[in-house]
Amino acid sequence: DTGVSQDPRHKITKRGQNVTFRCDPISEHNRLYWYRQTLGQGPEFLTYFQNEAQLEKSRLLSDRFSAERPKGSFSTLEIQRTEQGDSAMYLCASSRGRLDVNEKLFFGSGTQLSVL
Amino acid sequence: KQEVTQIPAALSVPEGENLVLNCSFTDSAIYNLQWFRQDPGKGLTSLLLIQSSQREQTSGRLNASLDKSSGRSTLYIAASQPGDSATYLCAVSVIRGNQFYFGTGTSLTVIP
Repeated sequence: DTGVSQDPRHKITKRGQNVTFRCDPISEHNRLYWYRQTLGQGPEFLTYFQNEAQLEKSRLLSDRFSAERPKGSFSTLEIQRTEQGDSAMYLCASSRGRLDVNEKLFFGSGTQLSVL
Repeated sequence: KQEVTQIPAALSVPEGENLVLNCSFTDSAIYNLQWFRQDPGKGLTSLLLIQSSQREQTSGRLNASLDKSSGRSTLYIAASQPGDSATYLCAVSVIRGNQFYFGTGTSLTVIP
């Protein structure tokens, strides 16, 4: 396993700009999750995919947020018209889904977004 | 909605001491519970996972217990080391494969 990869590690943008993050899960992991974490808080669920299907979205995921997972491999999370409140660490995680009865989650190192 | 609470928020202990971190959750109908470690500015590393039908799991100096009926889990760290300094988070899932609900974590500092 090469682990879950996220790119970029850091992103600084100006308010109103669009940003896109990428996540490459562990190969053969069919479930992929996006979480957001602010300083001193635990991760908050945003959305998750089973293969290419987006099965659940949090109410936190406003219309400015969109996530895709074409072909059930890597995933992208796009934030349009960024706001200062979007500043956070965006974490991606994957699991083997039904292949693993434990449903153990593996996290990437995250993308730290700063909106100026 | 499932709510997860971790106490204490921060803990400082001398090296070599045994310690217990606490996690409580409001809905006892969980699928599993995971304990994670997070170093500053980094992602989360899974330490232990306990299925709802299990009482405890052990890995090296770590032991996690689960009392589903009372909505509680503990993470026991034996013979603490400075390298154990990190934030420890617990997370529960209610439905298999669905989202995990995280606590806010316990920040642990082990003093040499």
